Amino acid sequence: GNSVTQMEGPVTLSEEAFLTINCTYTATGYPSLFWYVQYPGEGLQLLLKATKADDKGSNKGFEATYRKETTSFHLEKGSVQVSDSAVYFCALTSVSGAGSYQLTFGKGTKLSVIP
Amino acid sequence: EAGVAQSPRYKIIEKRQSVAFWCNPISGHATLYWYQQILGQGPKLLIQFQNNGVVDDSQLPKDRFSAERLKGVDSTLKIQPAKLEDSAVYLCASRPPGRSPDTQYFGPGTRLTVL
Repeated sequence: GNSVTQMEGPVTLSEEAFLTINCTYTATGYPSLFWYVQYPGEGLQLLLKATKADDKGSNKGFEATYRKETTSFHLEKGSVQVSDSAVYFCALTSVSGAGSYQLTFGKGTKLSVIP
Repeated sequence: EAGVAQSPRYKIIEKRQSVAFWCNPISGHATLYWYQQILGQGPKLLIQFQNNGVVDDSQLPKDRFSAERLKGVDSTLKIQPAKLEDSAVYLCASRPPGRSPDTQYFGPGTRLTVL
């Protein structure tokens, strides 16, 4: 079945450092790919998405490019802020055994940004 | 607009006890999801409702878990009897009609600890 593998955390960076969180996937067909973010004490929120190969999703200074040849969707940000401290989840759409579209999530990567 | 509401936010029980969680989705959202998020892992879908009907419960451990959405609005997830491995955050999410699977609005979750 479809699955997502993302880099282990936690990741600790200084403010204004460059961020990369790696995500690779295994899927049949052509899934849509997503990054979700979970800030402390809040619910999961969609950060960005890409629906086909070579698409770039972007939001709040974060970017990720759908790379079909390497089955990857790495999250990047050029200059992180303390407010970016959160848990980041890579996800993809997949079809369940019952035939419904659902989200399959990676294990999450905790990011801490220190001043 | 009000977000997805969940209660309680925290629950501690002993193994073999029963527990119930409640979710009130965003008004007008026909699709409702329950996820289980074990510490260090991504959310895993347990059950998906469309109005008051079950779309997918293929990953719900039906010997101990049950869920209902009788009037197609709020929903209850029950565990009876609980096991140690049920310790997790239970997330509820809802989706507006006609939107893609990634357009889910997540509640803050209920953190369950089974002792």
